[in-house]
Amino acid sequence: GAGVSQSPSNKVTEKGKDVELRCDPISGHTALYWYRQRLGQGLEFLIYFQGNSAPDKSGLPSDRFSAERTGESVSTLTIQRTQQEDSAVYLCASSLWGGYNEQFFGPGTRLTVL
Amino acid sequence: ILNVEQSPQSLHVQEGDSTNFTCSFPSSNFYALHWYRWETAKSPEALFVMTLNGDEKKKGRISATLNTKEGYSYLYIKGSQPEDSATYLCAFSQPEYGNKLVFGAGTILRVKS
Repeated sequence: GAGVSQSPSNKVTEKGKDVELRCDPISGHTALYWYRQRLGQGLEFLIYFQGNSAPDKSGLPSDRFSAERTGESVSTLTIQRTQQEDSAVYLCASSLWGGYNEQFFGPGTRLTVL
Repeated sequence: ILNVEQSPQSLHVQEGDSTNFTCSFPSSNFYALHWYRWETAKSPEALFVMTLNGDEKKKGRISATLNTKEGYSYLYIKGSQPEDSATYLCAFSQPEYGNKLVFGAGTILRVKS
C-alpha cells in the first residue's frame, strides 16, 4: 500500500518568507508526527497529532511554527517569517495509536532558507 | 527531561565483522524502545519495537536486546555487509509523554568491502 508522502521534496526560500510543508500519512494511522534534522544534529521532535488534535506541541521551536491536521489525514506544517536556522530536513511519520507501534516515515522535505 | 544516549557515535568496520551499538535511556516509567535504520537519501525504517524487559528480537543478521531495569538496549549486526551502512537510531517513550518518541543522536555505521 501507499506509504507516507510529503511535499515538496525540496524547498528553497528567502529569509522572511512563509512556507507550508505537507504530509499525507498512511490511511488509518491516527497518530502523525513532525520531526526535523538540522545539519549535523539528531532527529528533533516538533509536534504530534492524535486524530486532529495536538496533545504535545512542546517541540515547536518558536511561535513562527504551527501545524494543523484535518480529517485525521493530511497535515501541514507552516513556518512563518523563515530564518536561516530553520534550514533542515523536515520529516513526517505516522503510526497506529500507541507508543509501542512503529512509526512509518515519509521521504522528508529539505528546506533551505537563503 | 528525557535523554537518550547512543554509543559509539560512529563506527567503521570491515565486511564480515560483527558489531554492536548501545542505547541508554531513563529506566523509570519505561514504555517502549524503538530501533530505526536510516540510510542516506532514504527515510528512517523501523527495525524493532521492544516493550518487555529481557526481550530479544531478531531480523536476519540484526538482533536487539532490552534491559529496562538498568536502562539500556544493544543492537547487534552479525557479519556486516556494505548494505548495512546507515545511521542506527534508537528512540524511547514513556507513558506520560504519550506517543512522543525521544531519539538518540544515532550511531553511524560504515562497512567497507
